[in-house]
Amino acid sequence: ETGVTQTPRHLVMGMTNKKSLKCEQHLGHNAMYWYKQSAKKPLELMFVYSLEERVENNSVPSRFSPECPNSSHLFLHLHTLQPEDSALYLCASSQDRPRNTGELFFGEGSRLTVL
Amino acid sequence: AQSVTQLGSHVSVSEGALVLLRCNYSSSVPPYLFWYVQYPNQGLQLLLKYTSAATLVKGINGFEAEFKKSETSFHLTKPSAHMSDAAEYFCAVSAYSGSARQLTFGSGTQLTVLP
Repeated sequence: ETGVTQTPRHLVMGMTNKKSLKCEQHLGHNAMYWYKQSAKKPLELMFVYSLEERVENNSVPSRFSPECPNSSHLFLHLHTLQPEDSALYLCASSQDRPRNTGELFFGEGSRLTVL
Repeated sequence: AQSVTQLGSHVSVSEGALVLLRCNYSSSVPPYLFWYVQYPNQGLQLLLKYTSAATLVKGINGFEAEFKKSETSFHLTKPSAHMSDAAEYFCAVSAYSGSARQLTFGSGTQLTVLP
């Protein structure tokens, strides 16, 4: 496989469910990101991991819990979500060091619907 | 802090006509600038990037953009639109936040190509 792979592509869950989104990158990068894309809103950066350490958490509610076990894998654990959390969740990766232009490589996204 | 403004959330052009998507940025340091394209139900794909080399940047699918520091602009153009260009386009600016370089995205411009 090449690039950034996200699973599942589509997920429907109730507000009391617990589920996880998975992202895997095959590019040898050392930074990974979660973005939220809602209709009519700009892309929202949720979490950044650089060298497997979280470096940014943009005041995301605690019902979203990221996990980055190594530089190739990133998870987003979901529990007790709200209907307004329905969105496309995009994973991305980049090469953070030695020289990072900021260019991101995106997966195809996981479409989440919360009932 | 950096920001991006995309003028026009929707742009319509006829097939074969010039495509012009506008982007203005604000950055306290010399920026790196990007244009991404998103087709329906897919992630974002890099079209082109400016990283302080040539000010006129050529990208994939016949697109190009010109960095104009005096105007703080990075407009995206294509001489002749194809039906396959219909998609959403995002301008982004990159700067360091803490130890990681991060992208800030504009709100996006939906391009419609009319037959």
